[in-house]
Amino acid sequence: AQSVTQPDIHITVSEGASLELRCNYSYGATPYLFWYVQSPGQGLQLLLKYFSGDTLVQGIKGFEAEFKRSQSSFNLRKPSVHWSDAAEYFCAVGAGSGGGADGLTFGKGTHLIIQP
Amino acid sequence: DGGITQSPKYLFRKEGQNVTLSCEQNLNHDAMYWYRQDPGQGLRLIYYSQIVNDFQKGDIAEGYSVSREKKESFPLTVTSAQKNPTAFYLCASTHRGQPQHFGDGTRLSIL
Repeated sequence: AQSVTQPDIHITVSEGASLELRCNYSYGATPYLFWYVQSPGQGLQLLLKYFSGDTLVQGIKGFEAEFKRSQSSFNLRKPSVHWSDAAEYFCAVGAGSGGGADGLTFGKGTHLIIQP
Repeated sequence: DGGITQSPKYLFRKEGQNVTLSCEQNLNHDAMYWYRQDPGQGLRLIYYSQIVNDFQKGDIAEGYSVSREKKESFPLTVTSAQKNPTAFYLCASTHRGQPQHFGDGTRLSIL
């Protein structure tokens, strides 16, 4: 069975500083990987996805992530955070064909706090 | 605008009562999903349906039931057999291998 680990429950970053959120996955086949963001009391918004091809993927809001098969990782990065980036971030791996037809397995999330 | 509508936003259940959460999508997506979110636990898959009149259990289906009579609708019933129903419930949909699109959720609490 697949699994996702987000080692950091909370991360505090100063506004304007760079950000890296860690994600490690376990999956027997080629993974379909996702990063979602959630504001309090809201649904999830897709930041970016990796299906195949270039291992560095660009997403919305200036985020990017790098797929490293050898490390089973898919870390999320942003060069300069804004106060509006404060939210909960979830890494997920898709099971089944087409990027998760049988559902997604999520990590427990990382809560990002932005210091002024 | 196309999207997923979950209703109600807040729902209260009495002990021993069944409640149904609504999920409607106008995205013409084939597949729909229900997830449960608890604080510090991420999201866990309850049920999913890839086609009308067919659905499969996810990781935590016990105490829940679903139906898929129409392509655009996938209601979730939280039965009295679910002993710890207090959570945030999220519905999602997808089509042809695209990433899942989520609704804004329903928060269920016990009176």
